[in-house]
Amino acid sequence: NAGVTQTPKFRILKIGQSMTLQCTQDMNHNYMYWYRQDPGMGLKLIYYSVGAGITDKGEVPNGYNVSRSTTEDFPLRLELAAPSQTSVYFCASSYGDSGGEQYFGPGTRLTVT
Amino acid sequence: QQQVKQSPQSLIVQKGGISIINCAYENTAFDYFPWYQQFPGKGPALLIAIRPDVSEKKEGRFTISFNKSAKQFSLHIMDSQPGDSATYFCAASMTGGYQKVTFGIGTKLQVIP
Repeated sequence: NAGVTQTPKFRILKIGQSMTLQCTQDMNHNYMYWYRQDPGMGLKLIYYSVGAGITDKGEVPNGYNVSRSTTEDFPLRLELAAPSQTSVYFCASSYGDSGGEQYFGPGTRLTVT
Repeated sequence: QQQVKQSPQSLIVQKGGISIINCAYENTAFDYFPWYQQFPGKGPALLIAIRPDVSEKKEGRFTISFNKSAKQFSLHIMDSQPGDSATYFCAASMTGGYQKVTFGIGTKLQVIP
C-alpha cells in the first residue's frame, strides 16, 4: 500500500492564482481530512469528508474548496491565492471506527508571493 | 479557542534522560487521546494513544499518563535517544465526531548526545 499520497510536494503561487492540491489514499478509508500546519500553531482542520459526495467545513475553511467524487481522492482547491495561505498542507485519512487514528500524507509546502 | 493546550513548545533533553510533554483539554466529551510524532519533512504519524478508562499506557519507551479528573495527560519518553528528536503533538477526539481530531500546538524535542 502506498498509503496517503499528495502532489505536488512544493509549489510557489503568485497572489490571485488558483491551484488544486491532490490527495489519494489506497486504504479504502471512508474519512478524509485536509489540514494546514503553520509554525507554533499546530494542525488546523480545513475540510473533511465522511464519504464520497459528503464534505464539511473544519476550523479554517475560508479561501478553500473541496470535493469528494470517489473514496480514494480528496482534492483541495485554492481560489485566488493569498499570502496568508502560505503553509504546509497535509491530507489524512482514517477508517470509520479506528478511534481517531489518522494516516497522514507527506505534505505539500505552498508559498504564495 | 484552544481546546487542547500543550507545553512546552520546545524541549532539549540529554541522551538517556526522560522527556516529558504535558497537555490539558477542556471538552469532557473527548474520549480518545492520541500522540503523533512528526519528523522534519514528513507527515505526522500515530505514536501511542489512550482512552480515559485507563490511567496509563506504555509502549516500549513511550508512556502516556492520563488524569481524567484534572483533564490532563502527558507523554513520557524514557531513555531518550537522538532518534527521538522530532515534533510531538498531543490530540483529542470524540466518538461520533467524525474522527475529527483537535491537535495541540506541538513540542519540538531535541535529544542531544
